[in-house]
Amino acid sequence: GAVVSQHPSRVICKSGTSVKIECRSLDFQATTMFWYRQFPKQSLMLMATSNEGSKATYEQGVEKDKFLINHASLTLSTLTVTSAHPEDSSFYICSAPRVGYGYTFGSGTRLTVV
Amino acid sequence: GIQVEQSPPDLILQEGANSTLRCNFSDSVNNLQWFHQNPWGQLINLFYIPSGTKQNGRLSATTVATERYSLLYISSSQTTDSGVYFCAVVNYGGSQGNLIFGKGTKLSVKP
Repeated sequence: GAVVSQHPSRVICKSGTSVKIECRSLDFQATTMFWYRQFPKQSLMLMATSNEGSKATYEQGVEKDKFLINHASLTLSTLTVTSAHPEDSSFYICSAPRVGYGYTFGSGTRLTVV
Repeated sequence: GIQVEQSPPDLILQEGANSTLRCNFSDSVNNLQWFHQNPWGQLINLFYIPSGTKQNGRLSATTVATERYSLLYISSSQTTDSGVYFCAVVNYGGSQGNLIFGKGTKLSVKP
């Protein structure tokens, strides 16, 4: 199979603090990881693409200094929401492609900023 | 960029009924997947189906790439089938290879 483990599944943080979300590919090497954001009752929107060993590529309108992405190894990509604000509250989910399996998603992180 | 349209946006079924969900896309694709998002937000991969027909239990899917559409069939629906069904594609020749999602079909199966 192709499994991506995402942690934490749920986090509540205070405004101004930072939160780190981790995605690990458990049984394959993920050279690319896609990070999506989903607001309630809406579809998934791509935020950024991370590639192992290089800088992430951000979609238009996504602040790269606010959403820090690190992809330091072939099995781990992280998204850090810095100086979080209530409007950053959302569902964040990562995805990695694997040849023959399509794209596999992590279980998602529900972030609530209070 | 490529457009992905799903229909219907909402669907209410009685348990045991059959249904067909449709996904139209505006350009050639080299990947198409159907997902079921459960109430906890988890995306379950149902089918990886850039072309052809596949079946898995009560679910089956068909993609006609030349006509740019895919269909997801759910037979003998159960309450556990409730949730949002997404179709997502990768644009053939797209630079990043990311999945582009439709807006989903929200399915409610009543007992």
